[in-house]
Amino acid sequence: DTEVTQTPKHLVMGMTNKKSLKCEQHMGHRAMYWYKQKAKKPPELMFVYSYEKLSINESVPSRFSPECPNSSLLNLHLHALQPEDSALYLCASSQDNKGMNTEAFFGQGTRLTVV
Amino acid sequence: GQNIDQPTEMTATEGAIVQINCTYQTSGFNGLFWYQQHAGEAPTFLSYNVLDGLEEKGRFSSFLSRSKGYSYLLLKELQMKDSASYLCAVKTGFQKLVFGTGTRLLVSP
Repeated sequence: DTEVTQTPKHLVMGMTNKKSLKCEQHMGHRAMYWYKQKAKKPPELMFVYSYEKLSINESVPSRFSPECPNSSLLNLHLHALQPEDSALYLCASSQDNKGMNTEAFFGQGTRLTVV
Repeated sequence: GQNIDQPTEMTATEGAIVQINCTYQTSGFNGLFWYQQHAGEAPTFLSYNVLDGLEEKGRFSSFLSRSKGYSYLLLKELQMKDSASYLCAVKTGFQKLVFGTGTRLLVSP
C-alpha cells in the first residue's frame, strides 16, 4: 500500500466557517507534510510533522492549524479563511525524515475554494 | 533564501528526447528529487540524486552536479502521456523538501 488518502477531494467554505482536511497513510511513514499549491505554481511547504511532533511551520497564518493525532493521520483545521487561501492542499508522507533517499508520497489533494 | 529555477514551458514531439534543466542555490542540500504532476493530480516520484552523476530509470534519467548546483531530467522516446509538469525539488534539510518553479512539458504528435 503506497497510498496517501486525503478527504474531502473538494471543499467550498465561507470565510466564517470552520472545516478540517484529513490525510491518512498506512506505510509506516513517520514524517508527514502539508503543502499548498496554487494554479500553475509548484507546491509550497506549510508544515512538517516528525514522529507526531510539529517540526517545521513555514510562517503559516494561525487560521491554519495542523494536528497529528497519531502516526497515520494528519489533519489541517481551517478557520476564518480568506478567498486567497483557495488552492490545492496536498498531504505527503515519507519513510524516515533523517534518511537521505526518502521520497515523499503525495495524496491527491483537497481542492479548497473559499467564498 | 532558496532559489530553485526551471524553464517555465517546453514543447517536444512524440518520440523525441527532451532535457529539463534545474539550477539551485539552497541553504542546505540532502538530495534532489524529480516529480511528475499531471494537471489536477498529485505529484509522483520519478528519480533521486544525491551524488554527482547520472541515474537511469527506463525512459527517464536524471543528472546531478553538486558543484554547479545543476540537475537535469532527460526523457527519451517521448509519449503523449508525458505531457505534464515536471518539478525539481531539493531536500534542504532532513525534513524540508523545497520545490522549484516547475516546467510544463507539452508533447505534440
